[in-house]
Amino acid sequence: DAGVIQSPRHEVTEMGQEVTLRCKPISGHDYLFWYRQTMMRGLELLIYFNNNVPIDDSGMPEDRFSAKMPNASFSTLKIQPSEPRDSAVYFCASSTGQGAPYTEAFFGQGTRLTVV
Amino acid sequence: AQSVSQHNHHVILSEAASLELGCNYSYGGTVNLFWYVQYPGQHLQLLLKYFSGDPLVKGIKGFEAEFIKSKFSFNLRKPSVQWSDTAEYFCAVNAGNYGQNFVFGPGTRLSVLP
Repeated sequence: DAGVIQSPRHEVTEMGQEVTLRCKPISGHDYLFWYRQTMMRGLELLIYFNNNVPIDDSGMPEDRFSAKMPNASFSTLKIQPSEPRDSAVYFCASSTGQGAPYTEAFFGQGTRLTVV
Repeated sequence: AQSVSQHNHHVILSEAASLELGCNYSYGGTVNLFWYVQYPGQHLQLLLKYFSGDPLVKGIKGFEAEFIKSKFSFNLRKPSVQWSDTAEYFCAVNAGNYGQNFVFGPGTRLSVLP
């Protein structure tokens, strides 16, 4: 398996623009996580899904952030409108859980977002 | 809710020194425990994990960790660090008998001086 795949790897956008980050989890994994990493706040969980259903989105900073998982092999994290304080590295991770031998979280390479 | 604390924000060691990074978690039930490493500019990679069984867990690159249930701790150790171990280290906990949310500690930055 190619692992968790995120795109794009880098994104530079202007304040106010819409940004969409994409993630393809490892095949067969039923949990998907979105994390944000900054120097100031460390690694923060934004939202996680189980079997494509959002389970906990309490980490989503505000209504400008939204995440979807339309099927088991794809998820998006959207920021609209983007602001400079959204600049961070966004990681997607996946794991197995209930109903399967559970595993650790496998991380993608991350998307470095810069909002200018 | 689970939480994870890591004792040190930044540790500086010379090569060949021994390493111990502290990790404590708060959760009363069954837990799965993990240490991840993040090299500069890279993503998080698993060093080792504990699900059950022997509380002394060996991982990659000579790292090991000991789960002490009575102390709610999962400290990471390495007898002799190398310059290439310079990285950030994260402890994480995943509670329950099923894989659920992973809660990460704030991280400890390790700098190894050549």
